Order: sequence, then C-alpha cells, then structure tokens
Amino acid sequence: GAVVSQHPSWVICKSGTSVKIECRSLDFQATTMFWYRQFPKQSLMLMATSNEGSKATYEQGVEKDKFLINHASLTLSTLTVTSAHPEDSSFYICSASTDRYEQYFGPGTRLTVT
Amino acid sequence: QKEVEQDPGPLSVPEGAIVSLNCTYSNSAFQYFMWYRQYSRKGPELLMYTYSSGNKEDGRFTAQVDKSSKYISLFIRDSQPSDSATYLCAFSQSSYKLIFGSGTRLLVRP
Repeated sequence: GAVVSQHPSWVICKSGTSVKIECRSLDFQATTMFWYRQFPKQSLMLMATSNEGSKATYEQGVEKDKFLINHASLTLSTLTVTSAHPEDSSFYICSASTDRYEQYFGPGTRLTVT
Repeated sequence: QKEVEQDPGPLSVPEGAIVSLNCTYSNSAFQYFMWYRQYSRKGPELLMYTYSSGNKEDGRFTAQVDKSSKYISLFIRDSQPSDSATYLCAFSQSSYKLIFGSGTRLLVRP
C-alpha cells in the first residue's frame, strides 16, 4: 500500500518551454501533497505544499509563478515548470500524505533543460 | 549552525557488519524523527519513524533518539549489499514540513 507514482520519470526540454509533471497516489487518497527538489548529492528541499482544492503554499525563495502547482483531486497533483531554464534542471520528487507526519514519496522526475 | 548535520560519507562496510548512521540537530522543537532510504535516482522510502526518545526496532533496523543530546541514530544489523543506498534523516515539528539531512551514502561490500 501507499504507492505514489510520477510521470514522466525523465524529461528533456528546451529552454523557454514549459514542462508538466504529474504525481498520483495510487491506492490511497492524499489530503496533502508535497513537491521537493533535489540537486545531485544534496538533500531534498521542500518547494511547496498543496491541499486538494486549495492554493499551494510555497516555501520562501520559490517562485510561485514559475512553479505552478495544481492539486485537482485527492489522488493527483501537477507541477508545471514554466519558461524552463538550464538552472531548473534537477530531480523533482513529490510526496503524498494522509496525515501530518508520514509522507510517501514518488520515484522522482529528472528534468533536463537544454 | 545548520539545523541538521549529517555526515555525507561514503561509508563502506563489509557484508554482515553493523552499520551506525547518525544525525545531529539544533531545533529543540522537532518532535518527529524519521529515517529514509534512497536508492540512486529514486524517491526516498520511509524506514523508521518515531516521536520519542529511546529505541525503536524493526527487523534489522533500530532507530535511536536522544532528545537531550539532539542526536539520532540508525543501526543496521547484518548489513547486506542491497542496503547500499543513501540514508536520509528527517525531522518535523508539529507541521507538515520535513527537514532533511544531506544524506549518508552507504556501500556494503559483498
């Protein structure tokens, strides 16, 4: 149980284009979903927290107009990186939670912006 | 001072060894303590979760929390090559936000 999927697992896009990443909880309903970013050999940094039907809460320093988060249902959240640039290349990981403290992570999406 | 300190390793041990992984933290408001395992290019997997000082055991894994010293540990007994991964400590206050350590790379040699 508690399986979270992400799609795509790897995406390459050109600078200036937008990319959408999906996060789904497959066997449970997630009250909250989280989006993290991880640079090579570094830890996960929380970007934003989203509750179904509400606007996402972004961490300090994260541009909400650049990283658009939509939490359309209790099983689906999407992260759209708008006008991507090479510095946005990173590993993006989502997690889903049914309560406050246990988060179940997706397998991650590797974004490469050329 | 960083909120969480974790030795990045790598830590290399022979198969069957007991592994000790550690994190220190500075925020006394942390109430929840977790260990995650992350294989290369995969998302983290929750291994252990505790909210009190003391030990918690689950199979070959033991999590230890010392709130007075602000120090947590993860012990792995009878380590296996399949345990080779990066281990992340994580902390939480009474909110959703998890604060992660930078991770320790573990290599278990056959």
